[in-house]
Amino acid sequence: EDQVTQSPEALRLQEGESSSLNCSYTVSGLRGLFWYRQDPGKGPEFLFTLYSAGEEKEKERLKATLTKKESFLHITAPKPEDSATYLCAVQARNNFNKFYFGSGTKLNVKP
Amino acid sequence: DAGITQSPRYKITETGRQVTLMCHQTWSHSYMFWYRQDLGHGLRLIYYSAAADITDKGEVPDGYVVSRSKTENFPLTLESATRSQTSVYFCASSGTGRRYEQYFGPGTRLTVT
Repeated sequence: EDQVTQSPEALRLQEGESSSLNCSYTVSGLRGLFWYRQDPGKGPEFLFTLYSAGEEKEKERLKATLTKKESFLHITAPKPEDSATYLCAVQARNNFNKFYFGSGTKLNVKP
Repeated sequence: DAGITQSPRYKITETGRQVTLMCHQTWSHSYMFWYRQDLGHGLRLIYYSAAADITDKGEVPDGYVVSRSKTENFPLTLESATRSQTSVYFCASSGTGRRYEQYFGPGTRLTVT
């Protein structure tokens, strides 16, 4: 069964304190892994797509990496405006019309 | 402004009533999706559509009906609303080709009393 698990559920950081969020997945053939950011009361905002193990993508203070079983979202020197819930989703090669989302990691960055 | 819009943004309805949530996108994306988001469950797919007049069930389709007569619109209807359908509903769309990422609307918060 296709499944996505994110950890931790919540993370509190001081401004400037780097850390990583984890997304573990089981899928019968990965077509793509996606990271989203969601602010309270808003829809998820697309951040990155990763297609194959070893791939990395960067955007400002965020860097996403992918292995065969998990993905990490590294946050370097975070700022309070990085506070949000970060969602991971996978798309299976044999069922590419469906996304399987994790429950998210709620990040709170204190000034 | 181009993008994906949902209406209404907030809706309160009574048990047993029919309610329709609207979704409109201006990107001419082929695929459109409806999700519900609940605490403890994350985002769950209700229905999706690959093109006009082509729809299919997702993970939690019971109690919902969709249609897609035009590429840009994908309405979701709750035929007889129940309290368990109180949720935040998100519409999303994606294109074809290599880029399959989905782009989400702002959501509709639905309360069934």
